[in-house]
Amino acid sequence: GESVGLHLPTLSVQEGDNSIINCAYSNSASDYFIWYKQESGKGPQFIIDIRSNMDKRQGQRVTVLLNKTVKHLSLQIAATQPGDSAVYFCAENPLLGNQGGKLIFGQGTELSVKP
Amino acid sequence: EAGVAQSPRYKIIEKRQSVAFWCNPISGHATLYWYQQILGQGPKLLIQFQNNGVVDDSQLPKDRFSAERLKGVDSTLKIQPAKLEDSAVYLCASSLLDLETQYFGPGTRLLVL
Repeated sequence: GESVGLHLPTLSVQEGDNSIINCAYSNSASDYFIWYKQESGKGPQFIIDIRSNMDKRQGQRVTVLLNKTVKHLSLQIAATQPGDSAVYFCAENPLLGNQGGKLIFGQGTELSVKP
Repeated sequence: EAGVAQSPRYKIIEKRQSVAFWCNPISGHATLYWYQQILGQGPKLLIQFQNNGVVDDSQLPKDRFSAERLKGVDSTLKIQPAKLEDSAVYLCASSLLDLETQYFGPGTRLLVL
């Protein structure tokens, strides 16, 4: 069935270190993947996305890696800052029939940055 | 550019009462989504609109939930009657078209007692 899951529910890192948040997805037909950041009391905020014809995409301090062979997605945050503390969700778009646009979210990983 | 607006931000009601949430998407965005986010979980899609038409409402509990987007801009989501398990954050998101990046509002936090 359709599901997106995260390997670790919590991640604690030291300020300045790099963070890696992992995500496994089950639908091999998914074409589009997104990482969202959700701070307490706020809605999810778009961070970066990647389509299935790519295996890597970089943004400002963030990199998303896609491994379609093992259906794995990761978010790398360079030089993690206290402001990066939040819950991070990966989401996939299965692109099945009339489900265009529907996102399937994982449970989320809580990132805690220690000063 | 203004983001997605939602109101109210918080709502507390008793079970069996009714409640309505309002969403104003980003200007020009044709696609609007309502998600339910239960504490500790990722958002789950309830309904997707393309302009004023419903694209996907397969996960909307239609016996108690209803949503409309009459003029293809603002949208309302209603629950009647509410149950305890409806306690959650209700998120509205919009995108230029379907398959494009979705931008979320701050959500409405509902507590059903």
